[in-house]
Amino acid sequence: KQEVTQIPAALSVPEGENLVLNCSFTDSAIYNLQWFRQDPGKGLTSLLLIQSSQREQTSGRLNASLDKSSGRSTLYIAASQPGDSATYLCAGGATNKLIFGTGTLLAVQP
Amino acid sequence: NAGVTQTPKFRILKIGQSMTLQCAQDMNHNYMYWYRQDPGMGLKLIYYSVGAGITDKGEVPNGYNVSRSTTEDFPLRLELAAPSQTSVYFCASSYNPQLNYGYTFGSGTRLTVV
Repeated sequence: KQEVTQIPAALSVPEGENLVLNCSFTDSAIYNLQWFRQDPGKGLTSLLLIQSSQREQTSGRLNASLDKSSGRSTLYIAASQPGDSATYLCAGGATNKLIFGTGTLLAVQP
Repeated sequence: NAGVTQTPKFRILKIGQSMTLQCAQDMNHNYMYWYRQDPGMGLKLIYYSVGAGITDKGEVPNGYNVSRSTTEDFPLRLELAAPSQTSVYFCASSYNPQLNYGYTFGSGTRLTVV
């Protein structure tokens, strides 16, 4: 069974800290990895897409990496801000679907 | 560019009623999807479509039906609503995920069955 796991399930950090969110997947058939942000009661906002031929992607304070051989992806957030507080979801792209992890709930304390 | 539009945003149904959740995209995306999100769980795929006239079941299709008569629209039909269908429903689209195009999601429909 294809699975995507996110650790930790919840994380609380003080403002200004750098942090790493982890995502692991069990199926080598996952050919790309997409990170999303979800605010309470809202939809999913795409943050970064790492294609199968790439090792990492960067957007502003966000950097995502992908290591298909070990089945791992990380999302690095630099200089965290209270506005970064949200649930972060990783999803592996497989044939005809995205396989989602259960998310990491991030709280950045002012 | 509106992206993926879902209607309604909220709905309360009584057990046994039926309804259609609407999804439309204006990006000329071939692939469209319906997911449901339950508290503490990841998103689960209900149905998907790889183009107009083509639909297929995902992981949790029971109790739902879909159609794809146009590229733009992908409605999800609930027949005989049950409390187990209380969830948040998300529609998504992609140009071609196998070519490493990402997914765009709508803002969701929050459905309660009482």
